[in-house]
Amino acid sequence: DVKVTQSSRYLVKRTGEKVFLECVQDMDHENMFWYRQDPGLGLRLIYFSYDVKMKEKGDIPEGYSVSREKKERFSLILESASTNQTSMYLCASSSVQTKPTGELFFGEGSRLTVL
Amino acid sequence: QKEVEQDPGPLSVPEGAIVSLNCTYSNSAFQYFMWYRQYSRKGPELLMYTYSSGNKEDGRFTAQVDKSSKYISLFIRDSQPSDSATYLCAIPQRYSGGGADGLTFGKGTHLIIQP
Repeated sequence: DVKVTQSSRYLVKRTGEKVFLECVQDMDHENMFWYRQDPGLGLRLIYFSYDVKMKEKGDIPEGYSVSREKKERFSLILESASTNQTSMYLCASSSVQTKPTGELFFGEGSRLTVL
Repeated sequence: QKEVEQDPGPLSVPEGAIVSLNCTYSNSAFQYFMWYRQYSRKGPELLMYTYSSGNKEDGRFTAQVDKSSKYISLFIRDSQPSDSATYLCAIPQRYSGGGADGLTFGKGTHLIIQP
């Protein structure tokens, strides 16, 4: 069974803290994505990666960075957390073999609260 | 204009009713259209997808595309309380500068089926 695992389901951090959100997939997928989901705004793409050490900005990259040192792992980093980064963060992966549908497989999400 | 527009609801209907969920899109070049379902505190999962115009049926669910009006619909027959979830329409998107095919999502419609 395919699986995308996000290490933390719920986190509470303070303003200014550095935050790491980890995501691991066991499907040998090439592509990995980080979205945030907010009421009224839907899913918005932060960053994605199509290969190890490769990363591309999505629609809202400001305040975030990412790291992909291994194919199965994609990390989202908040260098200095702010209250407007309180959100649900969703990691997803996809395979180039599933074109043309581009189906994404999502993790269960990480709910981050910044106080 | 956003590429995909979707009424966020909430939409509340009695059990057994026929449900119609809808999205509009802006780019006539889109060829594939997806519907994801997201239960509370879970990540989205692919429900079904269609290619170009026409209908696709899967059990109680029917996805419909009208390319002339740029309108996509998801119908649920004999709705059940277990269908209560957020439904997101999505369109595959090739991101410039990278090799990944991702998805652009509508904001999602929160559906409640009352027992």
